[in-house]
Formats: sequence, structure tokens, C-alpha cells
Amino acid sequence: EVQLVESGGGLVKPGGSLRLSCAASGFTFSDYSMNWVRQAPGKGLEWVSSISSSDSYIYFADSVKGRFSISRDIAKNSLYLQMNSLRAEDTAVYYCARDLGRGSRHYYGMDVWGQGTTVTVSS
Amino acid sequence: IQLTQSPSSLSASVGDRVTITCRASQGVSSYLAWYQQKPGKAPKLLIYAASTLQSGVPSRFSGSGSGTDFTLTISSLQPEDFATYYCQQLNSYPPFTFGPGTKVDIK
Repeated sequence: EVQLVESGGGLVKPGGSLRLSCAASGFTFSDYSMNWVRQAPGKGLEWVSSISSSDSYIYFADSVKGRFSISRDIAKNSLYLQMNSLRAEDTAVYYCARDLGRGSRHYYGMDVWGQGTTVTVSS
Repeated sequence: IQLTQSPSSLSASVGDRVTITCRASQGVSSYLAWYQQKPGKAPKLLIYAASTLQSGVPSRFSGSGSGTDFTLTISSLQPEDFATYYCQQLNSYPPFTFGPGTKVDIK
């Protein structure tokens, strides 16, 4: 079964750091571009970051650029989001999601999503 | 690129035909996807490449458009279709912009 499972969320104080993990299974992880998408309470979806299948291309939303980093460990079939200098406005459910374009440099849409992990930034 | 969706919400009955519009501030070719999200759940991909139905998605869902104007149509609304729908552009990035969403609820 194709699956993504996030972990690592929690309560953190403003200015703190957190690392989210996303464990992939059921597909060849290295073949796909991967994404992080977040959703603040009661709000819509916000794309956060993407990493291409080759790891050659990494993108961030302006709202997190310089504070967040994305990486993957092919051997562990895992995607990571390192979040530093956290702010109250980073409070959200964070989803990892796979782009359906296997081996493609283009992005087509996110066909597999995890269940989400909740990050709360509060003093 | 900014995406707008209209309406922001709608009330409809089971069996109704529902159309949601997504408009991009610049052309995005056909790199547009539609998602359905139910409360407390992850989004689900319905349509990609503007009009391609994702595997396993019922055929009552359809997408059309290219450039700047796109539509998602549900031909006959079912009880399980009450949800929020988002469009997303994947042509010009970053960012991979999502629309603000359209909430479909029961009349």
C-alpha cells in the first residue's frame, strides 16, 4: 500500500525549532518529487516546500524561506522538514505529499498525502 | 500567480449539478489540479492537468479549461461530495499556489 506517515509535530515556543519527518512506503521514493503543505486552523491550504526527485531542485514559499529546509534520506525512505525560528503564524497541520509525476521535472498534482502532523507555536 | 475561486461557498442538494470556477492571474497552461478536502482529513486529488480524472475518482467529477480559466463540475452531487474544493496551479513556481477554496454544503 502506498503510504505517507508524518511525525515530529508538537508544541514549541516562538523562536524554537522542530523537525518533521515523513515516512514513505509502497513506492519507489527516489522516483518522485515530494512536498510539504500546511493548513492553519480554519484556513486553506498553503504550499510550503518541494524537493525534486533528483534532489536537484528545492523550492520554498516566501513565508518560510531562510527558516525552513527540506531534505530526504533515500535509504530510510524519509522526507524531512527542518523548521527554525518558528513563529506563531507557523501553527498548522503539516502534510507531506507526493507529486504524481514519477521521474518528471514537471509537477502535476499531489496524489498521495499523509495524515498530517500538528505544529503549535506558542509561549 | 494568484488563484481566485468562485463561489467561496455554495449550498446545493443531492443530485444537483455543481460548477466551481478557478481563475489564475496569469496563464498556467493546463498545469492545474483540483482537490477535495473533508473536515479533519487530508486533501484528495480529483483532477490533474486541468481535465484528467485521477484514478479511482468517480466520473461525476470533471475538469475543464486552460490558460487562466478553469472549472470543476460535479454532474450529480452525492452526499459524500459535501466538502471543500481547492484548485492549485503547478505551472509557474515557486510557489505552487492553492486557491482559497470553495465550501460545498447541504441546502
